[in-house]
Amino acid sequence: NAGVTQTPKFRILKIGQSMTLQCTQDMNHNYMYWYRQDPGMGLKLIYYSVGAGITDKGEVPNGYNVSRSTTEDFPLRLELAAPSQTSVYFCASRVGLGRETQYFGPGTRLLVL
Amino acid sequence: KNEVEQSPQNLTAQEGEFITINCSYSVGISALHWLQQHPGGGIVSLFMLSSGKKKHGRLIATINIQEKHSSLHITASHPRDSAVYICAVSRGATNKLIFGTGTLLAVQP
Repeated sequence: NAGVTQTPKFRILKIGQSMTLQCTQDMNHNYMYWYRQDPGMGLKLIYYSVGAGITDKGEVPNGYNVSRSTTEDFPLRLELAAPSQTSVYFCASRVGLGRETQYFGPGTRLLVL
Repeated sequence: KNEVEQSPQNLTAQEGEFITINCSYSVGISALHWLQQHPGGGIVSLFMLSSGKKKHGRLIATINIQEKHSSLHITASHPRDSAVYICAVSRGATNKLIFGTGTLLAVQP
């Protein structure tokens, strides 16, 4: 199993551009999460999904959108990128109720200039 | 005040030393997690515990639910233990995690 994979690893965006961060897991996990990690701060939850077709907002959803059309994929969309979205983004997944360990992807480093 | 507080923020140790990292939380939780983040950035789950103590190799994690406190211990520390150690608590059925800011550990040979 590849586990949780994320693409791209690194991206530079100009202000106002849009992009999609890809996240795929091959463990058949129901739950998936998007976090951002800023220097000196703990990871913050952006969006999460409890299964295909179901998504919900986390702590910091503004400026982002998600979709979950399949169990495997959970893309994160940035519309109109802003410098405040410069961060490292992590996708994670877990099996479901009673199995709480989350498995993290390698991260995407995003720089908005 | 953050819901999850870690101490210390930075820790430098000599190889072989016994290391303790502390985590306090102020909310009701279903479980507490310890994670490790290496300089390359990847995050790995070390422990998930809701009571008592767990041990894996040289790592030991304990939790005191009444005091809302957990500790991560590393025995016989080694330079390869150098990493950021993150405490997080999970709440609710959706297991949303609330993270501490991490402890940067450097073990010198």
